[in-house]
Amino acid sequence: SAVISQKPSRDICQRGTSLTIQCQVDSQVTMMFWYRQQPGQSLTLIATANQGSEATYESGFVIDKFPISRPNLTFSTLTVSNMSPEDSSIYLCSVALASSGNTIYFGEGSWLTVV
Amino acid sequence: QKEVEQDPGPLSVPEGAIVSLNCTYSNSAFQYFMWYRQYSRKGPELLMYTYSSGNKEDGRFTAQVDKSSKYISLFIRDSQPSDSATYLCATTTSGTYKYIFGTGTRLKVLA
Repeated sequence: SAVISQKPSRDICQRGTSLTIQCQVDSQVTMMFWYRQQPGQSLTLIATANQGSEATYESGFVIDKFPISRPNLTFSTLTVSNMSPEDSSIYLCSVALASSGNTIYFGEGSWLTVV
Repeated sequence: QKEVEQDPGPLSVPEGAIVSLNCTYSNSAFQYFMWYRQYSRKGPELLMYTYSSGNKEDGRFTAQVDKSSKYISLFIRDSQPSDSATYLCATTTSGTYKYIFGTGTRLKVLA
């Protein structure tokens, strides 16, 4: 597996502001993903973070709301823009390791509460 | 119909019991099946990974896939209070990392 660190681990944010979440992996990985886990709901894939190019967003998620950067093979950021209470959620960074078949691993998550 | 259905629980069992956690799925193209354990305020931790049908055992945990009935199970033997967590099933088709997750089953093992 890999060690996946996320910052911040939790935050309380004001409505209308933006917050950037960082994800750092202890080894180079090809695939990095961002998930959202809303209270009482399943994990939902937001986007695949592509190194050196624009992220690939899933249906229902747009770049203006969730801009993603991936400058290298060990680091990515997710920004939640113009936050509303509906954005209160856990945001999870995830990676796929070439040595681990089709499996994906998660970071500890960033717990955001928007007030 | 959701692609993956999972009873949210909570499921309470006494210490030492055998626990059975289950998911059903709708897409016969799903080939890879995972179980994750998520403790409160933590990220999901990969427990078991199975490809196609059959059983896989790892210590006290057994993952079972029945593709004919589109049913996946996780069995926990000799359950411990430390097994108290939310268990998530997940599945995907071949060649993609786009996993579909169940909503999770909250398990409580009582000492």
